[in-house]
Amino acid sequence: KNQVEQSPQSLIILEGKNCTLQCNYTVSPFSNLRWYKQDTGRGPVSLTIMTFSENTKSNGRYTATLDADTKQSSLHITASQLSDSASYICVVSASNTDKLIFGTGTRLQVFP
Amino acid sequence: NAGVTQTPKFQVLKTGQSMTLQCAQDMNHNSMYWYRQDPGMGLRLIYYSASEGTTDKGEVPNGYNVSRLNKREFSLRLESAAPSQTSVYFCLLESSADYGYTFGSGTRLTVV
Repeated sequence: KNQVEQSPQSLIILEGKNCTLQCNYTVSPFSNLRWYKQDTGRGPVSLTIMTFSENTKSNGRYTATLDADTKQSSLHITASQLSDSASYICVVSASNTDKLIFGTGTRLQVFP
Repeated sequence: NAGVTQTPKFQVLKTGQSMTLQCAQDMNHNSMYWYRQDPGMGLRLIYYSASEGTTDKGEVPNGYNVSRLNKREFSLRLESAAPSQTSVYFCLLESSADYGYTFGSGTRLTVV
């Protein structure tokens, strides 16, 4: 069964600190993996997208990594800001379907 | 979420009432999706439309109907709302280029 699991479920950090969010998937055949940021009360917004051949992708202070062999991805946030407080969702696509498989998200709270 | 308009943003219904959620796009995309988001669960696909005039069931279609009369609009209808349909609903567009997906801002529906 195609699944996406994220950890931790929630995370609290202090402003300025770094953090890493994890995503493990069992989707096959793999097509691509996205990380989304969802602010409270808003729709998810894309941060990064990686295909099978890519193992890292950056977007400002956000850096995503992908290990297609172990089927793991991580999202690293550098020098966190209060505005980083949000849910971060990992989404994986299989190449044999139009469907997206969503993780349940990691809720990040950044405190001053 | 520019280019994708969802209405209404909030709605409270009594059990048994009906309503239609609207999604309109000006991005000229073919594929449009309706998802629901519930606490502790990943976004789940209700229905999708690969092109004007075509619709297909997703993971959780029961209790919903959809309509794609033109390329621009994709509506989701609840004929007889139930408390289990209390959720946040998102419209999603798929771009055929570079794996792009764009979410609408969401509709928060409460059925009492």
